[in-house]
Amino acid sequence: ILNVEQSPQSLHVQEGDSTNFTCSFPSSNFYALHWYRWETAKSPEALFVMTLNGDEKKKGRISATLNTKEGYSYLYIKGSQPEDSATYLCASPNPALIFGKGTTLSVSS
Amino acid sequence: GAGVSQTPSNKVTEKGKYVELRCDPISGHTALYWYRQSLGQGPEFLIYFQGTGAADDSGLPNDRFFAVRPEGSVSTLKIQRTERGDSAVYLCASSSGTGLDNYGYTFGSGTRLTVV
Repeated sequence: ILNVEQSPQSLHVQEGDSTNFTCSFPSSNFYALHWYRWETAKSPEALFVMTLNGDEKKKGRISATLNTKEGYSYLYIKGSQPEDSATYLCASPNPALIFGKGTTLSVSS
Repeated sequence: GAGVSQTPSNKVTEKGKYVELRCDPISGHTALYWYRQSLGQGPEFLIYFQGTGAADDSGLPNDRFFAVRPEGSVSTLKIQRTERGDSAVYLCASSSGTGLDNYGYTFGSGTRLTVV
């Protein structure tokens, strides 16, 4: 069974702080690593799909890196804003996506 | 359609009753996925369709749960003899990919099922 783990479970930061969280996944039989953002009362929204070791992707103030050899990915948010408050999920396909429990970010103004 | 549509958005049912949850995926998306999310957990995989067939139903918790996609488009998740532990948000997603690829999923807004 594919096991995807995320840490921390929750995080509270002040507006303007930069933050990051971790996703761990099995490094064997790796296909891809997905990141999603899930805001309250909305649908999960795809952020990144990463496949290559060393991949780095960026979308505005959010970026992600991938290390397939050691089985982890980091998501970074630069200069957090209140609208970044959401649960951030990572997932790996098996073949359907298997999700971690998510990191819930709360940004105070 | 423009997005993935799930109906109803909320469903309250009594323990022991039968419920059906509907998912209308993005037109042309061959892959359709069902997940459920309980408080404090990530989305838990239930079943995955590629076209009309269930490509992987290993996540269905027991034989009270069943899903169909008869024409390769709309899917219905059916739960018999509901139990209070079935209370969760049921999410549907679709994708133009085949599973082990680079295509992201588009999720619906979910159906919040409450069994009382």
